[in-house]
Amino acid sequence: GESVGLHLPTLSVQEGDNSIINCAYSNSASDYFIWYKQESGKGPQFIIDIRSNMDKRQGQRVTVLLNKTVKHLSLQIAATQPGDSAVYFCAENSKRSYIPTFGRGTSLIVHP
Amino acid sequence: EAGVTQSPTHLIKTRGQQATLRCSPISGHTSVYWYQQALGLGLQFLLWYDEGEERNRGNFPPRFSGRQFPNYSSELNVNALELEDSALYLCASSVGQSSYNEQFFGPGTRLTVL
Repeated sequence: GESVGLHLPTLSVQEGDNSIINCAYSNSASDYFIWYKQESGKGPQFIIDIRSNMDKRQGQRVTVLLNKTVKHLSLQIAATQPGDSAVYFCAENSKRSYIPTFGRGTSLIVHP
Repeated sequence: EAGVTQSPTHLIKTRGQQATLRCSPISGHTSVYWYQQALGLGLQFLLWYDEGEERNRGNFPPRFSGRQFPNYSSELNVNALELEDSALYLCASSVGQSSYNEQFFGPGTRLTVL
C-alpha cells in the first residue's frame, strides 16, 4: 500500500507464494520500462524489461505486465524465495530521453 | 568480466567540505550515469557522461559536478557539502547513447555528511 515519509511500500509474502509488485508511471511518451532489484548494500540489478509494443514479457520466474491505457506496470514473481527479498524499482524511459525515471521502490519481504 | 566499480565504499565528511567519488565502467561502455539515492527515496538522476562529454544533468545545484576521463572512468565532485547530501551515490554504465541500453550499476558510495 501507500506509505508516508521515509518508509517504502512493503509487500510481505510467504516463501512459495507468488508476488505482484505494482508501479504507476507518469509519462505517456515512455516506451521502455525496466524492473530493477536492489539488495541491501548493493546497487540495483536489472531483472527484466519491456517495450511499449508489448503488454507482457516473461523471464525466469518473473513476468512483467504493461497496461499503457492506465500507465501501469507490474512485476510478478512466481514461487517467491527468501533470496528475492529486496527493494524493487521500476524505471521508465522514452526515445526522447536517455535518462530513465525511477519509481520510489517497493520492499519485498519473503518469510521462510 | 568485471562489473562497474566505485570507490570509496564509504565516505564521511563534515559540512562545507568537498567530496570526490570515483567510478569505473564496464569495459567497452562509454556512458556513465550518476544517481543519488537518499534514504527511502528512489534514484534521482545527477549527471550523464558519454565519450568524455557531459550530456545531461539532473535538477541539482552546480556544486554537484563531475567529469569523464579518456578511459571512460568518471568522477563526481560535491562541493560545500550539506547535511542533506548524505546518501548512497550510484554510478551506472551502458554501452552508448540509447534509451534502450541496459544500465549496469555499481555497488555505490555511501556518503555521510556530519
